[in-house]
Amino acid sequence: DAKTTQPNSMESNEEEPVHLPCNHSTISGTDYIHWYRQLPSQGPEYVIHGLTSNVNNRMASLAIAEDRKSSTLILHRATLRDAAVYYCILGDNNAGNMLTFGGGTRLMVKP
Amino acid sequence: NAGVTQTPKFRILKIGQSMTLQCTQDMNHNYMYWYRQDPGMGLKLIYYSVGAGITDKGEVPNGYNVSRSTTEDFPLRLELAAPSQTSVYFCASSLDSFSNQPQHFGDGTRLSIL
Repeated sequence: DAKTTQPNSMESNEEEPVHLPCNHSTISGTDYIHWYRQLPSQGPEYVIHGLTSNVNNRMASLAIAEDRKSSTLILHRATLRDAAVYYCILGDNNAGNMLTFGGGTRLMVKP
Repeated sequence: NAGVTQTPKFRILKIGQSMTLQCTQDMNHNYMYWYRQDPGMGLKLIYYSVGAGITDKGEVPNGYNVSRSTTEDFPLRLELAAPSQTSVYFCASSLDSFSNQPQHFGDGTRLSIL
């Protein structure tokens, strides 16, 4: 299974941009890169996903390295509500619907 | 929109008791999933279903059973509760297979077995 590596925790100041890194050096050519976040006492929430090109939506941007071995989730202006655990997950086409959630990155946002 | 609804939200069981965790979705999604999350850890897949009448094991299926008689419902059954099954259980659904479709999660069932 292709795995991801993320820092355990990061801190940010409110209203500043946040760059959350993810390494996935064993990614296969058909694996999508997904990001979810989990606020305290809630279920995970979909943030964004991509395959090769950078992606933008109302929540965040996803920058994918040219070799696809790493990616970065960008929150353009962090708010206190963005404090959560962020999971970078690879969608493995060869493993049916099996998902592998790692430990994620706990983002703390300071006012 | 209700999305994915899980009941109950909290439950305490005694060792050896059985219970069913309910999950229903109103998005007409084909795929449904059950995960468990132990304290401070990521989610682990227990079972999943690609449609009514079809289920398959995930990473940690032992001690659980599932059924999928309708598109909307995907209950998870614990037959003989054990302390190791104390966890938070999340149900999720997606329109199609994971690789290019987001999953929608419920708010979870917090289960303690004493």
